[in-house]
Amino acid sequence: AQSVTQPDIHITVSEGASLELRCNYSYGATPYLFWYVQSPGQGLQLLLKYFSGDTLVQGIKGFEAEFKRSQSSFNLRKPSVHWSDAAEYFCAVSSGTYKYIFGTGTRLKVLA
Amino acid sequence: DAGITQSPRHKVTETGTPVTLRCHQTENHRYMYWYRQDPGHGLRLIHYSYGVKDTDKGEVSDGYSVSRSKTEDFLLTLESATSSQTSVYFCAISEGEESSETQYFGPGTRLLVL
Repeated sequence: AQSVTQPDIHITVSEGASLELRCNYSYGATPYLFWYVQSPGQGLQLLLKYFSGDTLVQGIKGFEAEFKRSQSSFNLRKPSVHWSDAAEYFCAVSSGTYKYIFGTGTRLKVLA
Repeated sequence: DAGITQSPRHKVTETGTPVTLRCHQTENHRYMYWYRQDPGHGLRLIHYSYGVKDTDKGEVSDGYSVSRSKTEDFLLTLESATSSQTSVYFCAISEGEESSETQYFGPGTRLLVL
């Protein structure tokens, strides 16, 4: 069965520091992978997605993610965090059908 | 912006009462979805639709029903609300004609069942 693990429930970083949010998935074939961000009281906004091709994917707001098949990972990174990046981040995997499996989320706090 | 609105945005109701949540989209997307979001669980699929009058169950469909009589509207009904259905409900659409297309989400409805 497909599953997604986000091992860090909370992460705190200082403004200007680099960020890496971890996502590990379990799936037999090459999955479709997504990162979404949710600000308090808001819906989910797509940051980036991986379907195939280049394993380093660029997204909005300066985020990027790297698909590593050998590690079954799709970690999200940003070189310099801004206070406005404080939010909850969700990784999701799909087999290419309607069925998305979401991780439980990582809440990011940014210190001024 | 995928042109998705949800109504109401907030609702408080009592156990045993029926509740209907509405999802409206303006861009004629074929696929629509209802999720619930709960702490520690991420988002879980309740029901989805692949066309007018075509719907199917997701992983947490018990206690919920849906209807889609028009392309633009997807309704989620709690026939008899229970406290375990207190949650935030999100509607989503897939762009394009394939279910594999990226999903985009509405702003959510916060439901409290007392």
